[in-house]
Amino acid sequence: EAQVTQNPRYLITVTGKKLTVTCSQNMNHEYMSWYRQDPGLGLRQIYYSMNVEVTDKGDVPEGYKVSRKEKRNFPLILESPSPNQTSLYFCASSLSSRRGYTEAFFGQGTRLTVV
Amino acid sequence: AQSVTQLDSHVSVSEGTPVLLRCNYSSSYSPSLFWYVQHPNKGLQLLLKYTSAATLVKGINGFEAEFKKSETSFHLTKPSAHMSDAAEYFCVVSGGSNYKLTFGKGTLLTVNP
Repeated sequence: EAQVTQNPRYLITVTGKKLTVTCSQNMNHEYMSWYRQDPGLGLRQIYYSMNVEVTDKGDVPEGYKVSRKEKRNFPLILESPSPNQTSLYFCASSLSSRRGYTEAFFGQGTRLTVV
Repeated sequence: AQSVTQLDSHVSVSEGTPVLLRCNYSSSYSPSLFWYVQHPNKGLQLLLKYTSAATLVKGINGFEAEFKKSETSFHLTKPSAHMSDAAEYFCVVSGGSNYKLTFGKGTLLTVNP
């Protein structure tokens, strides 16, 4: 089954304790990205990657890191989490086409609470 | 640059009546446009997409949207609401050199029995 898998689904952590949220897709998509969803703000892009070893900042990259060593994986790293990073996080992937990228497929989300 | 404005943060309808969720967009490019739905505690599911083919786009579960370039709109409609349609809906535009997805702030659809 084609899917984007995020882990963990729920995470409660303390301020300053490094954490990684994993994201994996099995569709051989080139484009992957991370979003955070906050009430009343919709989804905002954190980082994106157009292919292996190619990553760039989105709209709200502060406090986050990513890496793209393999095509299927795109982990999100919070080196020193703070309470304002409490949010619902989504990973997404898209296939490239001649016109650009097709629609995004989303993971089930990771609800992160930083206390 | 691109942006999306969903004109209603909350829409409430009765079951069996039409649904209209409004979306205006701004883009410097020839955009692709999407509608996604998010049910409570779930991920985002694609309802339909416009990618410069037919301007009237049909999606899943009886939804459709019409791309109107002159009005920069991409409103989502459904002739008859069902209780299972209650969810949050996001209008999304994609374009530019990095094909970034820009989301509207969402419209919460409530369906009353």
